[in-house]
Amino acid sequence: DAGITQSPRHKVTETGTPVTLRCHQTENHRYMYWYRQDPGHGLRLIHYSYGVKDTDKGEVSDGYSVSRSKTEDFLLTLESATSSQTSVYFCAISVSDATDTQYFGPGTRLTVL
Amino acid sequence: SQQGEEDPQALSIQEGENATMNCSYKTSINNLQWYRQNSGRGLVHLILIRSNEREKHSGRLRVTLDTSKKSSSLLITASRAADTASYFCATDEGDDKIIFGKGTRLHILP
Repeated sequence: DAGITQSPRHKVTETGTPVTLRCHQTENHRYMYWYRQDPGHGLRLIHYSYGVKDTDKGEVSDGYSVSRSKTEDFLLTLESATSSQTSVYFCAISVSDATDTQYFGPGTRLTVL
Repeated sequence: SQQGEEDPQALSIQEGENATMNCSYKTSINNLQWYRQNSGRGLVHLILIRSNEREKHSGRLRVTLDTSKKSSSLLITASRAADTASYFCATDEGDDKIIFGKGTRLHILP
């Protein structure tokens, strides 16, 4: 698993509340990614980072923001959660260049009521 | 955005048989990857094949790549119950990310 942890692993929250998911890696890899996985959609990229304070938007970034103040942590924030953001969220890292093999965390199951 | 598309969406075969799933993509790539996901878990990398390679093996897995047809196939030989999972192809998009398909759900019947 390349030393990737995600927290929390499960969360239930209410519409309109802010939520922050954390991805932590132990090996100081440069590239980190946040995906969401929904039935019928596969994995979709939300945001990614190519270094401390260097982030960019993915395919489904609306309603999400990210921060990376340290190499090892990549935070995903839902400023005001909506029911459409109910999903399983996966963090991943790339150990060499950005388009090479990715290693995934265990996922966070988020339910927005 | 470019996205690999797996076919079939779902596949059920008897244990011991071979399973083949395909991936088609739209534009030129530098590499194509296959991942497996067991229920409720994160994705696990299986194989990466580069655009100048035509075939690659890893244990019971064989991946082919036909860049002229913009397609790849993943063959799992002598399937086992533990191969029951979803399989995703992923293609590089630009220099900084990869894009996943929607996956093939493989079910191995006892």
